Amino acid sequence: EPEVTQTPSHQVTQMGQEVILRCVPISNHLYFYWYRQILGQKVEFLVSFYNNEISEKSEIFDDQFSVERPDGSNFTLKIRSTKLEDSAMYFCASVRQANTEAFFGQGTRLTVV
Amino acid sequence: GIQVEQSPPDLILQEGANSTLRCNFSDSVNNLQWFHQNPWGQLINLFYIPSGTKQNGRLSATTVATERYSLLYISSSQTTDSGVYFCAGVLTGAGSYQLTFGKGTKLSVIP
Repeated sequence: EPEVTQTPSHQVTQMGQEVILRCVPISNHLYFYWYRQILGQKVEFLVSFYNNEISEKSEIFDDQFSVERPDGSNFTLKIRSTKLEDSAMYFCASVRQANTEAFFGQGTRLTVV
Repeated sequence: GIQVEQSPPDLILQEGANSTLRCNFSDSVNNLQWFHQNPWGQLINLFYIPSGTKQNGRLSATTVATERYSLLYISSSQTTDSGVYFCAGVLTGAGSYQLTFGKGTKLSVIP
């Protein structure tokens, strides 16, 4: 069964460092998302991506964040200069078309020290 | 944005018991989904249920879209059912396809 895959599963980084989180969405899906979940809290939307551009972003997704789909398969989230409060589980999701079921990756747990 | 309320926030069950988890939405939603977050943090899709009733083994879900709520039923609970259950939906007609999540119900099933 096709699935969304994320790498790495865990990442520890020092404050101020750049990190890139990687996702391979399901191959025939057209919409891609990043969500994050701070420990013990609910899952929050960060950004959506369609047709090679950002279609929507939340207030959390400030200038420190960027997304890219560098080739036909990968979808990346970059945090330029990490802060302690960026520590969270980051989930990638993909949807085949608008208003259909979203499928989530297993998450990347980011710890900023 | 829409508000998603889940109840109860915490639930402790004896193995074998049944339970009902509820999700209320402040506005009309599409694409209602239920997820189980396991102890490793993974979000597992349980149901995609914009309306109606679906069953999958010991789990079933019902969404009454006109009344803006959804229910998740767990029957004959097992310890492996423990974890956090989230519902999430997409606001209808907003032109946005982001999922808005509730805060979850933390379920603990004890032997």
